[in-house]
Amino acid sequence: TQLLEQSPQFLSIQEGENLTVYCNSSSVFSSLQWYRQEPGEGPVLLVTVVTGGEVKKLKRLTFQFGDARKDSSLHITAAQPGDTGLYLCAGHPGGGSQGNLIFGKGTKLSVKP
Amino acid sequence: NAGVTQTPKFQVLKTGQSMTLQCAQDMNHNSMYWYRQDPGMGLRLIYYSASEGTTDKGEVPNGYNVSRLNKREFSLRLESAAPSQTSVYFCASNPLAFGELFFGEGSRLTVL
Repeated sequence: TQLLEQSPQFLSIQEGENLTVYCNSSSVFSSLQWYRQEPGEGPVLLVTVVTGGEVKKLKRLTFQFGDARKDSSLHITAAQPGDTGLYLCAGHPGGGSQGNLIFGKGTKLSVKP
Repeated sequence: NAGVTQTPKFQVLKTGQSMTLQCAQDMNHNSMYWYRQDPGMGLRLIYYSASEGTTDKGEVPNGYNVSRLNKREFSLRLESAAPSQTSVYFCASNPLAFGELFFGEGSRLTVL
């Protein structure tokens, strides 16, 4: 059972366009993390959201945690080729153990100049 | 700053061979993890170690063993490699139990 569903799976856009990536679940999460992974490297944390309804901004990236803490979104404004990569959401289901960090399958983003 | 270091970066094995993937972190983190990443499957936890001296199974532990050698090092062993274990393996660590994971660069393993 995939607890975290990410959509879309693939996204190819032109430089300057806006985009939103979704991370959805039927389960409640105590927090959600967003990572970006570039080819040949390990994932790197972008942000952690912990409060329902929380919005965090990281330059052109805006992260939102759903009010019910079951979903999250990542919005990129005016995408640039440097934003290309695999975006992963991850979270601990409510009451889960330390080792129970669930990852979504990821959204592979390609931004063309 | 080295962070999390994995060796080897690439390895090709024949079915039935054994090997150990090494991982070391220099950030004084208590917890360490081994994940595998396969196309279309995302990252799946193999084993983790919440602290020195403890290890626990993750989602996909079959065919693997681990050793938390000391606070810095956490190794993953394949006793008898199978083609289904062809994957990219990532080691990670974190200072807090539910906090940010710091990943190594990965070890690409092919089992023929």
